[in-house]
Amino acid sequence: AQSVTQLGSHVSVSEGALVLLRCNYSSSVPPYLFWYVQYPNQGLQLLLKYTSAATLVKGINGFEAEFKKSETSFHLTKPSAHMSDAAEYFCAVSVSQGAQKLVFGQGTRLTINP
Amino acid sequence: KAGVTQTPRYLIKTRGQQVTLSCSPISGHRSVSWYQQTPGQGLQFLFEYFSETQRNKGNFPGRFSGRQFSNSRSEMNVSTLELGDSALYLCASMPSPSGSTDTQYFGPGTRLTVL
Repeated sequence: AQSVTQLGSHVSVSEGALVLLRCNYSSSVPPYLFWYVQYPNQGLQLLLKYTSAATLVKGINGFEAEFKKSETSFHLTKPSAHMSDAAEYFCAVSVSQGAQKLVFGQGTRLTINP
Repeated sequence: KAGVTQTPRYLIKTRGQQVTLSCSPISGHRSVSWYQQTPGQGLQFLFEYFSETQRNKGNFPGRFSGRQFSNSRSEMNVSTLELGDSALYLCASMPSPSGSTDTQYFGPGTRLTVL
């Protein structure tokens, strides 16, 4: 069964520092992978998705993620953190072709220190 | 284009009651999925509807049910509420579950508190 594991339930970085949020997946078939962000009292917003077209995926707000099959990873990065990046981030895998059913990681809460 | 809307945004119920939550998908979207978000269990898939038919169901008891109308609007119902049903219920829509890599667009959620 497909699953995702997010390493670190809480990550704290300084403003302007590199953001690295880790996600490892388990899938018996080529996966579709997603990163979503959730701001307080809001729903989920898609940051980016991997659909096998390119291993380096660029998303919104300066985020990107690299799909590494050999490491079964899909880590999310941003070169320079901004205060507005403080939120909870979820990695997810689609358990079928497309995105009808998403299996989410436990989430990583990102805190930005001034 | 308007996003996914969910009503009500907040709800307080007592144990044993039942509740109905509503979701209106993005115009033109015909697939609607529901998720439960709790601090302990995280985000869990409840069910998915397309063309008024339930296509997928998560591992939840039969107290959780849903339906979809011909205009693609969806409702979910929870009967005999338990304290553990307190959660944020998220609805997501996409054009169709055709096997494409379409994105699921999420609504703001309904915060249910069971006392």
